[in-house]
Formats: sequence, C-alpha cells, structure tokens
Amino acid sequence: GAVVSQHPSWVICKSGTSVKIECRSLDFQATTMFWYRQFPKQSLMLMATSNEGSKATYEQGVEKDKFLINHASLTLSTLTVTSAHPEDSSFYICSAPHLGGYTFGSGTRLTVV
Amino acid sequence: GENVEQHPSTLSVQEGDSAVIKCTYSDSASNYFPWYKQELGKGPQLIIDIRSNVGEKKDQRIAVTLNKTAKHFSLHITETQPEDSAVYFCAAITGNQFYFGTGTSLTVIP
Repeated sequence: GAVVSQHPSWVICKSGTSVKIECRSLDFQATTMFWYRQFPKQSLMLMATSNEGSKATYEQGVEKDKFLINHASLTLSTLTVTSAHPEDSSFYICSAPHLGGYTFGSGTRLTVV
Repeated sequence: GENVEQHPSTLSVQEGDSAVIKCTYSDSASNYFPWYKQELGKGPQLIIDIRSNVGEKKDQRIAVTLNKTAKHFSLHITETQPEDSAVYFCAAITGNQFYFGTGTSLTVIP
C-alpha cells in the first residue's frame, strides 16, 4: 500500500535552533500533505495543509513564521520548526491523501531542551 | 464545522472479549469514516473504513457500522488480543476536511 516515510522519528534540539521534519511519499505522488501536532493523550490537531507548488494553508492560531512548510515536489513536504522553544516539544505527524484514503507518516517526537 | 465525539475515552477488556467504540458526528455531508490504531510513539494506522453508502463493513475480527440517520458509527473488535491494546481514533471526512475523534485507549488484559 501507499507509504509516507517520515524522518526523523525523534529529535532533541536546543532552544533557539531550528529543526526540519521530512515526509516523503514513496510510491505515489502527494500533491497535498497535512501536518498535525499531537500532545500526550490527546487527538491529532491539524496545523497546516501544504500543496505542491503553492503556499501552505495554516490553521487558526498556528504561526506560519514559526512552522515553515515547504512542498517543493510531488513526493516531499517538509516542516521546519524555527527558533524552537520547549513548548514546541510535541509529536508531529504528516498525512497524505491517496486513492480515497489517507496515509500517515510514523511521526516525529520533538524534544526541545 | 464538523464535531466528532468519541466514547469511551478508556476501555479495558479481558482477552477474548469484544470491544466497542462509538463515535458521533454532526455534519451530514461527511461521507468517509476511517478508524485508526495508534501505538505509542507511532503514527496512526488505518484499520478499517466505511463510506456513507454502506451500513456495515467487516474485516476478520474488526467491523464498523454506520448509521447515517443517527449520525453515528462504531468500531467492533471481537476476540480481543493483547496486541490490540492501543489508542483508537475515529474520523469523519467532509471533502478534504479531516475531523478526528478524541481517541479511546484500549487495554486488553491477558
């Protein structure tokens, strides 16, 4: 089936640095990629929707300058957390629609120290 | 917009028993209802889905039922096994808008 490969699976960074998370569609073209954030014991919260070749659409309350999304090709979308702070620590997950369904990446655990 | 409610938030069953998780939605335009299993530290994995033109779907020990009139759908897991322990999320999709339930933490006790 369709696979979305997400890397890294976990990352620890210092406050003030930036972290890039990649999601690749391995056997299909993902014109759209959804980016979610998940806090412990909570549901997934949609942050933004990226579309290949155009600007991402951010949900209300999500800082676009802090969470930079790039969808430069049909198989790669990236989320960069800029100037990370401890409150950005969370589980980040991407998802792409494919053949009427949705395929999720394996998630990235970000810890900012 | 859509509002998806999921119950219960936690569920413990003995191995071999059945588990049922229920979700309700508000937008009658929602037409696709997937269920996901999420293990700790991993992304959600699709386990079964149902579309609005079908009332029931079954895949081995897992089944989903949909009542469009009442706007609710349920996940049924029979003959539960310890490896079924995880968090389960329902979702309702309208167009490309994805609405998750709040999740159910299922524990299967050996």
